[in-house]
Amino acid sequence: GAVVSQHPSRVICKSGTSVKIECRSLDFQATTMFWYRQFPKQSLMLMATSNEGSKATYEQGVEKDKFLINHASLTLSTLTVTSAHPEDSSFYICSVSTAGSLEAFFGQGTRLTVV
Amino acid sequence: AQSVSQHNHHVILSEAASLELGCNYSYGGTVNLFWYVQYPGQHLQLLLKYFSGDPLVKGIKGFEAEFIKSKFSFNLRKPSVQWSDTAEYFCAVNKYGGSQGNLIFGKGTKLSVKP
Repeated sequence: GAVVSQHPSRVICKSGTSVKIECRSLDFQATTMFWYRQFPKQSLMLMATSNEGSKATYEQGVEKDKFLINHASLTLSTLTVTSAHPEDSSFYICSVSTAGSLEAFFGQGTRLTVV
Repeated sequence: AQSVSQHNHHVILSEAASLELGCNYSYGGTVNLFWYVQYPGQHLQLLLKYFSGDPLVKGIKGFEAEFIKSKFSFNLRKPSVQWSDTAEYFCAVNKYGGSQGNLIFGKGTKLSVKP
């Protein structure tokens, strides 16, 4: 399967600041990338879907101005949590897929803690 | 709305015991079904998947799952577990039953295998 790398794996930031999380597809042309969020003892929840070169499609209830997604190339997507608050503390996971594929490959996740 | 239910939050077994983890989904159309495993400190890995054809699907590490359409179920089984199977297991279904990787996940089942 594809190798997907997320960076950073852990980040602690102060309330009100912004944090950028990178998702890289190392050996795979990721035409589509997905961002998930996982709260403790909860399931992974899809936040948004991004296609390379297009604006992301956000799931209901996810603020697009707060969670900025950029998918400028076939190997990189970024999620920026703007003006982070403690309630944004969570585990963020990306996955990648390619056109026509029925499968997606996951990154190792980023643990965000907002203090 | 679509949902995925995993009935057991935490399962504790002894080595060599048989395993069955329940998964039910709510979606009346065509679905693609997945089981993922997350070992401690690692990223999600695909165990097995069902797209079409034989409803009994064999995956890696001796796992299998059976798709029963009439019951909207996709239970995961393994005849004899090992200590190394200790992990969290997630059932997932394609959000739109289509060919993209956007998934709806169950809440996960934590499996602890005692040596």
